[in-house]
Amino acid sequence: DTGVSQDPRHKITKRGQNVTFRCDPISEHNRLYWYRQTLGQGPEFLTYFQNEAQLEKSRLLSDRFSAERPKGSFSTLEIQRTEQGDSAMYLCASSQDSRAADTQYFGPGTRLTVL
Amino acid sequence: AQSVTQPDIHITVSEGASLELRCNYSYGATPYLFWYVQSPGQGLQLLLKYFSGDTLVQGIKGFEAEFKRSQSSFNLRKPSVHWSDAAEYFCAVDNYGQNFVFGPGTRLSVLP
Repeated sequence: DTGVSQDPRHKITKRGQNVTFRCDPISEHNRLYWYRQTLGQGPEFLTYFQNEAQLEKSRLLSDRFSAERPKGSFSTLEIQRTEQGDSAMYLCASSQDSRAADTQYFGPGTRLTVL
Repeated sequence: AQSVTQPDIHITVSEGASLELRCNYSYGATPYLFWYVQSPGQGLQLLLKYFSGDTLVQGIKGFEAEFKRSQSSFNLRKPSVHWSDAAEYFCAVDNYGQNFVFGPGTRLSVLP
């Protein structure tokens, strides 16, 4: 069990640029989640997938944010036309299935800094 | 809407002292509750969870938590804190199997 991995760990970009983050869940985990965490706050839910289906995306912060999980394995989160307010830690988590109370396992996160 | 509050932003305890971190939730059904710990620059690690049965649950690293439905609380405790316990602690509630709703966190500092 290699755990959830995220790449890159850190990303510095200029305002207006597009960025893409990758998450590799624990193998055979069907659920994959994206959260955003700003300084001094708890993680804030963005979106999640059941296999390749994106089941909730209304919590994405704006239409500049999009996520995919094309083959039900890894996922990408893209932010277009980044703004300074997008600076945060982006966390990915996975869980084995869709039961309530199923533990979510978190990756180390991608820290985004928008200059 | 579901919510989680952690009234203490920052707590400082001496090494070897006991610890209690408070968590209150607002949820419309039987809650599934979690405590996670986050060390600087790290992801979140699960300490323990409650979903049914015994209201006192044991976790890793010597932590335990007690679910009290009447008080809508799920407080985390440890009888003797170690310096390595210094971290940020987050309480979370499962939101109907869709996602977790997290509290704002409590930062724990440990004095030698």
